[in-house]
Amino acid sequence: DAGVIQSPRHEVTEMGQEVTLRCKPISGHNSLFWYRQTMMRGLELLIYFNNNVPIDDSGMPEDRFSAKMPNASFSTLKIQPSEPRDSAVYFCASTFRGAYEQYFGPGTRLTVT
Amino acid sequence: AQTVTQSQPEMSVQEAETVTLSCTYDTSESDYYLFWYKQPPSRQMILVIRQEAYKQQNATENRFSVNFQKAAKSFSLKISDSQLGDAAMYFCAYRSAPRPTRFGAGTRLTVKP
Repeated sequence: DAGVIQSPRHEVTEMGQEVTLRCKPISGHNSLFWYRQTMMRGLELLIYFNNNVPIDDSGMPEDRFSAKMPNASFSTLKIQPSEPRDSAVYFCASTFRGAYEQYFGPGTRLTVT
Repeated sequence: AQTVTQSQPEMSVQEAETVTLSCTYDTSESDYYLFWYKQPPSRQMILVIRQEAYKQQNATENRFSVNFQKAAKSFSLKISDSQLGDAAMYFCAYRSAPRPTRFGAGTRLTVKP
C-alpha cells in the first residue's frame, strides 16, 4: 500500500493567495483527518470526515479555511486568502472508522510570506 | 473533553542508556487506546507503540515499552539501550473511536553519543 499521500510536500506562497492542499487516504479507509502543526500550538485537529461527510469542523480556525471530501479517495484543504500566520505543517491522516490507529501522510509544509 | 499532557518539553539521554518519557491523560471513557508517536526531522509521524485500555499487560515493542497505570491515567514510554536514531519528537496520544486522536504537546528527545 502507498500509504496516505499528500501534495504538495512544500508550498511557498504570498499573503492573499489561495492555497489548496491535497490528500489521498489509504484505500478502504473511511475516516479522514486534517491536522495542523506549529511550534506554538502543537498538533491541532482542524476537521475530520467519516464516509466523506464532515463530522467536526470546530477546529477550523477561520472562514478562510475550508475542506472538502468529494469522494472516498480524495480530500482538499483550502485557505483563501492565506496569511503569514497560516504557515505550518499540515497533516492528513486516515483510518477505518472502527479502528484506533491513524495513519499519517508525510505532511505539507506551508510558508506564507 | 479528553486531554493529553506531556510535562517534559525536552529530555536527553546518553547513547545505550534508558530514558522514560511521561504522559498523563484525562478521560471519562472506559474504552480507548493510547499511543506513542515518533516524529523525526523528516516530520513523518511514526507509530512507536500502542496500548489498549482494557489490557492490563503493558505493551512492548523491542526496545520500547510502556508503563500504563489506568487508575492514575498515566502512560509513560521507556526507551532502553537508546540509539542515535531515537532522537526525535515524541508525542503521546489518546483515542476513543470514532472520535479523532488527541495529542500531547510533545517531548523532544536528544541522544548524546
